[in-house]
Amino acid sequence: NAGVTQTPKFQVLKTGQSMTLQCAQDMNHNSMYWYRQDPGMGLRLIYYSASEGTTDKGEVPNGYNVSRLNKREFSLRLESAAPSQTSVYFCASSEDSFYEQYFGPGTRLTVT
Amino acid sequence: AQSVTQPDIHITVSEGASLELRCNYSYGATPYLFWYVQSPGQGLQLLLKYFSGDTLVQGIKGFEAEFKRSQSSFNLRKPSVHWSDAAEYFCAVGARYGNKLVFGAGTILRVKS
Repeated sequence: NAGVTQTPKFQVLKTGQSMTLQCAQDMNHNSMYWYRQDPGMGLRLIYYSASEGTTDKGEVPNGYNVSRLNKREFSLRLESAAPSQTSVYFCASSEDSFYEQYFGPGTRLTVT
Repeated sequence: AQSVTQPDIHITVSEGASLELRCNYSYGATPYLFWYVQSPGQGLQLLLKYFSGDTLVQGIKGFEAEFKRSQSSFNLRKPSVHWSDAAEYFCAVGARYGNKLVFGAGTILRVKS
């Protein structure tokens, strides 16, 4: 039982490049989330998926897209990376929308 | 809208001393409240949660927190801190039947021997 897994762990991009961050959970959770963490700002919600087949914007969605591929997997795509997207990205899942969330180990992304 | 304030950015305590980390929230109805801990380079681990009922909740690693509705607070406590407790601690508030958690900015705990 791995919980929430994320790939890659580290990534360096040049401005304008694209990439997809992958997230998978094996807890049969319905809801999944993407956050970014920046120093002094806590975690901010980018997008979430309350259940398979649905996605919604969070607090800071600009510059990102998501896909809920199936119940297990929720990916985050940066179409044209910008230095402002340098951050640590966390995926999380929960049994349902109003239950506690379980977090993956994070992806540290640097955009130069 | 929900919001969370953690007034202390850094706290340093001696090993064996007691600890209290402060959390104040703003939310119009009864909130769901959480404390998470993050060790360096790691993801967030749930310490404890409050949904309803007893206002004093026990968590893992010897932590507890008390929900005080009149003060809009959910402070985290531990009677005796261990060096391994050094980490960053996040308070979060969620809306009942909602989809989102709002996190505070975090408090970094340093433990001196």
